[in-house]
Amino acid sequence: KAGVTQTPRYLIKTRGQQVTLSCSPISGHRSVSWYQQTPGQGLQFLFEYFSETQRNKGNFPGRFSGRQFSNSRSEMNVSTLELGDSALYLCASSLGTSGVNEQFFGPGTRLTVL
Amino acid sequence: GEDVEQSLFLSVREGDSSVINCTYTDSSSTYLYWYKQEPGAGLQLLTYIFSNMDMKQDQRLTVLLNKKDKHLSLRIADTQTGDSAIYFCAESNPALIFGKGTTLSVSS
Repeated sequence: KAGVTQTPRYLIKTRGQQVTLSCSPISGHRSVSWYQQTPGQGLQFLFEYFSETQRNKGNFPGRFSGRQFSNSRSEMNVSTLELGDSALYLCASSLGTSGVNEQFFGPGTRLTVL
Repeated sequence: GEDVEQSLFLSVREGDSSVINCTYTDSSSTYLYWYKQEPGAGLQLLTYIFSNMDMKQDQRLTVLLNKKDKHLSLRIADTQTGDSAIYFCAESNPALIFGKGTTLSVSS
């Protein structure tokens, strides 16, 4: 079974631009969560999607948005990029049922904002 | 608010046991987790424990939970150089709230 895939793996953008990151979950998984990882703040939850609906949202500004498609693939978008948005963005998928929230993580997209 | 705290570094010799500690704040977390991150890789779930358990053993890994003190620990027996990585504990509210991670360095 293929794991979680994220594209692109690396991205360089300049301040003010916008960016879209993609995540394909494990086949059969209906829940996709996004996390931002930085040296200073560590791992922070961005949002979770389940069956195309945002189920949970972290404490990030409105410049960060996401969506999920009917095939469970998810995208996240960051508009008006700031230097502080440079981070590793991790996507995780899970079955989404109640009980153990066993999330499987992708390798991440490394975003650098210049 | 929710907060998960871990010590930042641990250095051990190959063959010794490693113990990584974590404290959490959300007493309503049903499950608590340990994840491992190797350089350049995403996170890998190592093990988890249900909140009504005190201990869980899985091969070389032992998780201890003190719910009264909101303290979680991960013990790695017979630590190997391949265990060198960053270890994160996490609580679920239901999104995962992670600690800052403990860097485990194993010397031969």
